Amino acid sequence: AQSVTQLGSHVSVSEGALVLLRCNYSSSVPPYLFWYVQYPNQGLQLLLKYTSAATLVKGINGFEAEFKKSETSFHLTKPSAHMSDAAEYFCAVSEGNNDMRFGAGTRLTVKP
Amino acid sequence: EAQVTQNPRYLITVTGKKLTVTCSQNMNHEYMSWYRQDPGLGLRQIYYSMNVEVTDKGDVPEGYKVSRKEKRNFPLILESPSPNQTSLYFCASTVRNVLASPLHFGNGTRLTVT
Repeated sequence: AQSVTQLGSHVSVSEGALVLLRCNYSSSVPPYLFWYVQYPNQGLQLLLKYTSAATLVKGINGFEAEFKKSETSFHLTKPSAHMSDAAEYFCAVSEGNNDMRFGAGTRLTVKP
Repeated sequence: EAQVTQNPRYLITVTGKKLTVTCSQNMNHEYMSWYRQDPGLGLRQIYYSMNVEVTDKGDVPEGYKVSRKEKRNFPLILESPSPNQTSLYFCASTVRNVLASPLHFGNGTRLTVT
């Protein structure tokens, strides 16, 4: 069965600094990969998804992620952090129509 | 406005007292799902439904029931809640499956069982 591992439960960056949130996956078939964001007291929202087209995927709010098959990774990046990026981020993987597995989440703090 | 609505947002109950958390979506989505979110564990799927009258177990179905009598509603039922079911619960829906289009989440129900 597929799974994801998010490295680092908490990440803290300064405003304007690079954001890097790490995600490694395990899958027996070519995976579909997702990043979701959860703002306080809200449900999750899709940031971006990889579905076997371009390996570099651009999402909303300036985020992007690169699929690296050789490293089984799908890390999320943003060149310059903004205070509004403070949230919890979840990586997820799916092998089929009805099954999506989420990582444990990474809480991003942005310092002024 | 397109949305997934869960009720209640907060619920405190006692062990063994049956409860229902409602979930309704107004987007005509076929697929609906329930997750629980626990610190350090992320979201784990409880049950999902591909369409009306079709439900299947997720990763952690024990102690929960669901039904899908209408397309828009997908209630989560705890027949005899226990303290280990204290958690944050999310309902989500999408058009047909999680690959074709993003999941739309409700705002969550925080359940405490004492």
